Amino acid sequence: EVQLVQSGAEVKKPGESLRISCKGSGYTFTSYWITWVRQMPGKGLEWIGRIDPSDSYTNYSPSFQGHVTISADESISTAYLQWSSLKASDTAMYFCATHTLVGVSSFDYWGQGTLITVSS
Amino acid sequence: QSVLTQPPSVSGAPGQRVTISCTGSSSNIGAGYDVHWYQHLPQTAPKLLIYTNNVRPSGVPDRFSGSKSGTSASLAITGLQAEDEADYYCQSYDSSLSGSVFGGGTKVTVL
Repeated sequence: EVQLVQSGAEVKKPGESLRISCKGSGYTFTSYWITWVRQMPGKGLEWIGRIDPSDSYTNYSPSFQGHVTISADESISTAYLQWSSLKASDTAMYFCATHTLVGVSSFDYWGQGTLITVSS
Repeated sequence: QSVLTQPPSVSGAPGQRVTISCTGSSSNIGAGYDVHWYQHLPQTAPKLLIYTNNVRPSGVPDRFSGSKSGTSASLAITGLQAEDEADYYCQSYDSSLSGSVFGGGTKVTVL
């Protein structure tokens, strides 16, 4: 069974760095892209970007380009989303997801979400 | 402001039919890219409800159906049930952004 398990909630201060993780299991990790999605408090879903774990190719939403970095370590079947300098506006729930349906761009498996709180 | 436009809310009595629209443009839905729909309950991960415009994954009740025409798509829920109360999002690909895009979400309330 395909599963994505994310790291736990974090409370950080503005300016701090952070890396959250998403570990895949039940499938060949390099077979499917991993996508990251943000949900700010009381708001909708936003596509952040994605990574191809087979070659670490990434592409980002223009809204997030330059502010976050997506990476992956295929040896431990884990993808990451990281910030070098957090802002209060980064406070949100972050989900990872993947799409295993061939030729389909929908996200059929999701992680449980990681809540990030940035506050001084 | 989301690239895909959805109504903020819709409501209906149990047993009724409700529809949720998702309006895009020539760089996403109108360009022929598929539309997918998700159901999202608070404190849970979104659940894929419809993919490739009108296909239900295994386990999704046939009360849920999707359609697409031109630059828009729709999700219909027939025989509305209390458990359908949730947020619903459409998703597609946008060629000008070179990535996926979501609608702003629609809250379904069962009266």
